[in-house]
Amino acid sequence: GAVVSQHPSWVICKSGTSVKIECRSLDFQATTMFWYRQFPKQSLMLMATSNEGSKATYEQGVEKDKFLINHASLTLSTLTVTSAHPEDSSFYICSALRDGQGEISNQPQHFGDGTRLSIL
Amino acid sequence: QQPVQSPQAVILREGEDAVINCSSSKALYSVHWYRQKHGEAPIFLMILLKGGEQKGHDKISASFNEKKQQSSLYLTASQLSYSGTYFCGTGMGAQKLVFGQGTRLTINP
Repeated sequence: GAVVSQHPSWVICKSGTSVKIECRSLDFQATTMFWYRQFPKQSLMLMATSNEGSKATYEQGVEKDKFLINHASLTLSTLTVTSAHPEDSSFYICSALRDGQGEISNQPQHFGDGTRLSIL
Repeated sequence: QQPVQSPQAVILREGEDAVINCSSSKALYSVHWYRQKHGEAPIFLMILLKGGEQKGHDKISASFNEKKQQSSLYLTASQLSYSGTYFCGTGMGAQKLVFGQGTRLTINP
């Protein structure tokens, strides 16, 4: 299999709080992981590419100081939403690529179950 | 540049067929297809890497027309379990995917 665990599944917190979301590949190593944001009935929008051992690559318009990414090991990437506000409420999904499978766009992405973030 | 999917939504009766199209204004290196059920993670269906390639599993298949910069997903004799939102993802260069806006498929008994 290719199992990706994302935690927590949902979180509700007050405005101004920082929230950390974890993404783990359980049965494979993943040098590269992705973080997406999805609004209701909309597409998956790539926020950043997370690479173990180097800085994340952020998409245009994504604030790197607000969405902190740390890829601490070959099986774990974390996304921290700092000083979250109601407009940050969304569904956040990570995906991971199994190492050794070739070019990034030529292999399947294995998605976590997502985290529903609600900021009051 | 986000690929464009059509139709945006389809409602079928169980056993009917459906076609979902994915078009890009830029050259495609690969096309991915995923299905997502409400509140769940997208599930990988298949990747097409070469122009003219066709592949399938069970009653779901896809084709890739590199010249026309488009791909189509075919669902034959649809089952209730096929319901969900289908996304195509296009490989723009080697480093990431860009997903279409999705096609919502509803299968009724």
